Amino acid sequence: DAGVIQSPRHEVTEMGQEVTLRCKPISGHNSLFWYRQTMMRGLELLIYFNNNVPIDDSGMPEDRFSAKMPNASFSTLKIQPSEPRDSAVYFCASSFLEDTQYFGPGTRLTVL
Amino acid sequence: AQSVTQPDIHITVSEGASLELRCNYSYGATPYLFWYVQSPGQGLQLLLKYFSGDTLVQGIKGFEAEFKRSQSSFNLRKPSVHWSDAAEYFCAVGGRGGNKLVFGAGTILRVKS
Repeated sequence: DAGVIQSPRHEVTEMGQEVTLRCKPISGHNSLFWYRQTMMRGLELLIYFNNNVPIDDSGMPEDRFSAKMPNASFSTLKIQPSEPRDSAVYFCASSFLEDTQYFGPGTRLTVL
Repeated sequence: AQSVTQPDIHITVSEGASLELRCNYSYGATPYLFWYVQSPGQGLQLLLKYFSGDTLVQGIKGFEAEFKRSQSSFNLRKPSVHWSDAAEYFCAVGGRGGNKLVFGAGTILRVKS
């Protein structure tokens, strides 16, 4: 079975540009989570969805960040405009009925 | 507020030796506890989880963990470490079903031959 799929795996952009990260959860899972991992702050939950509805976005750092889940098989995390401090690895995870979360391989974002 | 403490940032063990990684948590209700492993450049892989029942939990790759409510601990153990176990290990705590996980800072395991 395919796991959580994230694209792109690596993204290098310049400050001020818009960045869109994509995630395809495991088929049949109804919860989706976006995390950010940095050396300084470790793994932080940014936002999670249940049945495509955002449940808790208290971890979203600021208005430059937005996330959507238009259907059960796709989610995006957008940063506009991007800043160097947004450089991190962004993980998507999914679960079924709020059970164990399964993580994707991550997107390594570098903002120059 | 919920939190997870992994007191050891780095641990080095010899191949074949036993391993114990410590995890202490703070959570106001019944905790759901997890151990994940992350190899360099990879995502997180679930090793084991505790939701309820038997406090000694078996996981993949020969790992086990014991939930001790009185000590608020969920330490990870392996009787004999292999070189391929070198990675970073994360303990996490969450609510019902494991949503809104809070992760510890991680422990980097080095295995020397």
